[in-house]
Amino acid sequence: GQNIDQPTEMTATEGAIVQINCTYQTSGFNGLFWYQQHAGEAPTFLSYNVLDGLEEKGRFSSFLSRSKGYSYLLLKELQMKDSASYLCALGGAGSYQLTFGKGTKLSVIP
Amino acid sequence: GAVVSQHPSRVICKSGTSVKIECRSLDFQATTMFWYRQFPKKSLMLMATSNEGSKATYEQGVEKDKFLINHASLTLSTLTVTSAHPEDSSFYICSARDRGDPYEQYFGPGTRLTVT
Repeated sequence: GQNIDQPTEMTATEGAIVQINCTYQTSGFNGLFWYQQHAGEAPTFLSYNVLDGLEEKGRFSSFLSRSKGYSYLLLKELQMKDSASYLCALGGAGSYQLTFGKGTKLSVIP
Repeated sequence: GAVVSQHPSRVICKSGTSVKIECRSLDFQATTMFWYRQFPKKSLMLMATSNEGSKATYEQGVEKDKFLINHASLTLSTLTVTSAHPEDSSFYICSARDRGDPYEQYFGPGTRLTVT
């Protein structure tokens, strides 16, 4: 099976940088994904990592270390609209199924 | 980017009736579609994986006779909740995998089902 851990909630200030961590235990996966979900809406894709290292996409970056079972999502220049839940998900090896963590609810304050 | 639609966005039905939810990939061919449900303040739970032209694969604990999935074409999958009960009230979300980009799943906007 797979186990994914994320902090339940975080608060950060507008304009700041925030790092959301995700640790996992799994017997195998093809990639680690990050999704953003606003309340009552479906998730939207942010980024994914297949190999170790940092992937940068504008204000969002994601990092993966397979040896440490660890990933993080970095959000820069926070905006109020970034207030949402951020879901870490493992892509199944060979199946492309996603197993989601419980999500981290980020609140951006002025 | 790829677009996935769901219909209806909200539905209220009475106990014992059946409800059909449609999931369509609008501008790409989806060889695989996934159905999730999400309870308030909880994460998404995969219910089943639907491959075009074949039977769906259900996750453990999901009743296949209650949640009927049909993936009749490369752009359409349907989920029918049969004999709905109040405990089936949830947010149902589909996603589709583009055969040209196997790593990324595109999510529909979700369907809020309320069973009274």
